[in-house]
Amino acid sequence: ILNVEQSPQSLHVQEGDSTNFTCSFPSSNFYALHWYRWETAKSPEALFVMTLNGDEKKKGRISATLNTKEGYSYLYIKGSQPEDSATYLCAFNRPNSGYALNFGKGTSLLVTP
Amino acid sequence: DSGVTQTPKHLITATGQRVTLRCSPRSGDLSVYWYQQSLDQGLQFLIQYYNGEERAKGNILERFSAQQFPDLHSELNLSSLELGDSALYFCASSHVSGSGANEQFFGPGTRLTVL
Repeated sequence: ILNVEQSPQSLHVQEGDSTNFTCSFPSSNFYALHWYRWETAKSPEALFVMTLNGDEKKKGRISATLNTKEGYSYLYIKGSQPEDSATYLCAFNRPNSGYALNFGKGTSLLVTP
Repeated sequence: DSGVTQTPKHLITATGQRVTLRCSPRSGDLSVYWYQQSLDQGLQFLIQYYNGEERAKGNILERFSAQQFPDLHSELNLSSLELGDSALYFCASSHVSGSGANEQFFGPGTRLTVL
C-alpha cells in the first residue's frame, strides 16, 4: 500500500523556469525521507536523504526541505535545464521494516528549450 | 553506473513458466532489496536480504522467492508466471541494514514480459 503522495503527477516547464514538487508522507514513526531522480532508460539515482525536521539539502540547482511533523517535503529546481527532465521519486522508510523504501508514483518533469 | 549489476536486461517468457533474475550488489554492500515496477504503479518493495539472511518482506507473492548467496549476489525466482507479473524488476543495494538513512543504489533493472 502506497502511503506517499506526490504532486503534481507531471510538469512541463520552459528552460530557465524554477519549479517545485511536493511529497506527502505519514508523519508517524518516520525515519528518513529520500528523493530519487529517474531518467528514462536508466535506474533511479539518489538525490537526497533527509532525517531531521527542518532539514534542507542542496545539490547544485536542486534543493529539498523536510517537515516531519506535518509529513511533507518539497523539491526545488532553480533555473530548469533540459537535462533535468526526469521522473522525481520520493520515498520514506520506517524502522523495523528492514529500511525498505516506500515510494510515491513520482513527478514527471519535462523541460523544453 | 551505480555499481549494481542485474541480468538479464530483458526476459520474455510464457505464462506458467519460471524465471530467475540475478543481482550483484556494489562491492562491500551487504543489503540487497528487490523492487517491482508495474504499469501505473510506483516502485513496490518485494523483499530484502542482509548478509545472506532475509530481513524484511513487502508485497511479495507466494509464487516468488529470493535468496542471497555467500558471495552476496542475490536471485529472485518467479514461478507460475502470470500476465500480471510483467514488470520492471529492480535490485538495489546499500551498505548496512541498520540505517534507513543510507541511500540505496539501484541496478539497471530486468524487464520481464510474460506472454
